[in-house]
Amino acid sequence: DAGVIQSPRHEVTEMGQEVTLRCKPISGHNSLFWYRQTMMRGLELLIYFNNNVPIDDSGMPEDRFSAKMPNASFSTLKIQPSEPRDSAVYFCASASGGANEQFFGPGTRLTVL
Amino acid sequence: GEDVEQSLFLSVREGDSSVINCTYTDSSSTYLYWYKQEPGAGLQLLTYIFSNMDMKQDQRLTVLLNKKDKHLSLRIADTQTGDSAIYFCAESSSNTGKLIFGQGTTLQVKP
Repeated sequence: DAGVIQSPRHEVTEMGQEVTLRCKPISGHNSLFWYRQTMMRGLELLIYFNNNVPIDDSGMPEDRFSAKMPNASFSTLKIQPSEPRDSAVYFCASASGGANEQFFGPGTRLTVL
Repeated sequence: GEDVEQSLFLSVREGDSSVINCTYTDSSSTYLYWYKQEPGAGLQLLTYIFSNMDMKQDQRLTVLLNKKDKHLSLRIADTQTGDSAIYFCAESSSNTGKLIFGQGTTLQVKP
């Protein structure tokens, strides 16, 4: 299995631009999570989906952030417009019930200039 | 609300044992986890323990759970330089798969 796949691995953009991060969960997993990691705030859960339905988006910082999961094999996290304080590593993770073990992708390092 | 606390930094010498500690507040936690994050990588699950267990051992790793005190520890025997990483404690108390993570403990292993 290829594991959780995220793209791009690195993204550098200018303030005000739209950024779209992509995630392909492990096949058969029915839960998907988006996290943000920074030195200042550590690892934060932004939103998670169960069976493609958003369950809890209370961690999404602002209306500038949105996430979708159109099908079981794909999810996006969009930031529009982006700001320098959005610079962070964004992780996607997937899980399949049971012990709630989450498998993390390699992350997307976002830099907003 | 739910909270997970860890010390931020631990330094040990190669060959020594490392003990990383974690406390949590949610008494309804069902599973508790230890994740490892190496530089530039995502989090990797090391081990987990069900809340009705006191101890779990897996090769060099030993997890101890004191449910009364809501205290979890990870012991790494014969610590190697390759064990240098950030270790995250996490707890889960729902069927949704949502985890609450601690802030991570940076383990530095000196040769």
